[in-house]
Amino acid sequence: GESVGLHLPTLSVQEGDNSIINCAYSNSASDYFIWYKQESGKGPQFIIDIRSNMDKRQGQRVTVLLNKTVKHLSLQIAATQPGDSAVYFCAENHNDMRFGAGTRLTVKP
Amino acid sequence: GAGVSQSPRYKVAKRGQDVALRCDPISGHVSLFWYQQALGQGPEFLTYFQNEAQLDKSGLPSDRFFAERPEGSVSTLKIQRTQQEDSAVYLCASSPRQGRLAKNIQYFGAGTRLSVL
Repeated sequence: GESVGLHLPTLSVQEGDNSIINCAYSNSASDYFIWYKQESGKGPQFIIDIRSNMDKRQGQRVTVLLNKTVKHLSLQIAATQPGDSAVYFCAENHNDMRFGAGTRLTVKP
Repeated sequence: GAGVSQSPRYKVAKRGQDVALRCDPISGHVSLFWYQQALGQGPEFLTYFQNEAQLDKSGLPSDRFFAERPEGSVSTLKIQRTQQEDSAVYLCASSPRQGRLAKNIQYFGAGTRLSVL
C-alpha cells in the first residue's frame, strides 16, 4: 500500500553543521506535507509545511524541499544546535494525515 | 497554560483492566484528534471530532476503543479490557480549523504513556 517513510532512522551531526533529513512518500495525490519535531516526552511540534504546488519553502534555519518527480521530501537544518536533537517526522495529508516512522537527530557538541 | 493538556501522563494497567485517558484541548478549538504512537514509530490516527460530533473513527483498532467529546471540549479515550498490544503513547491534538484543513494545523499534547502488564 501507499505509505510515508524515511530513508534513515538515525542521524548524528556535529554542532554547527547542516543537517538533512529525508522522507519518501508514495501517494502522488498528497497535496500538503508537514515536518514535525518531537522531543523526548513531548508531543510533535510543527516545524514547517509545504504545499504540492511548491518545491521549496524556507523558515528560520529550516528549509523544506519537495521533489514530486521522485516523491521525495527533505528537511534541511542550518547550523544545527544541541536543541535540535529530537525525532523528526514527515507527514502527508491526502484524505488522512499519515506520519513516517521518524529520524532521530543527535547533535554532538 | 494555553496548550493541549493530557492526563494522566503515565498509566500502568493490568491486562484486562479498563482505562480512561483525558484530553483538554486548547480553548475554542473546534477539532480534536486522537493518535496512537507505538515505540519508535510515528503517530497513527485513531479518531476525529468536530465539536461534539465524532466524524471519523476509522483508525480505532477494535471495538474495545471508544472516544467521546460530549460538550465539544474535553475528550476521553476509553480502552476496555486492555491488552499488551495497547501499550503505546496516546496523543491528543486540537485545531482551530475544521474538516480536512484541521489536519494541517494541529497542536499536540505531550501524550499519555500507557503500559499494559
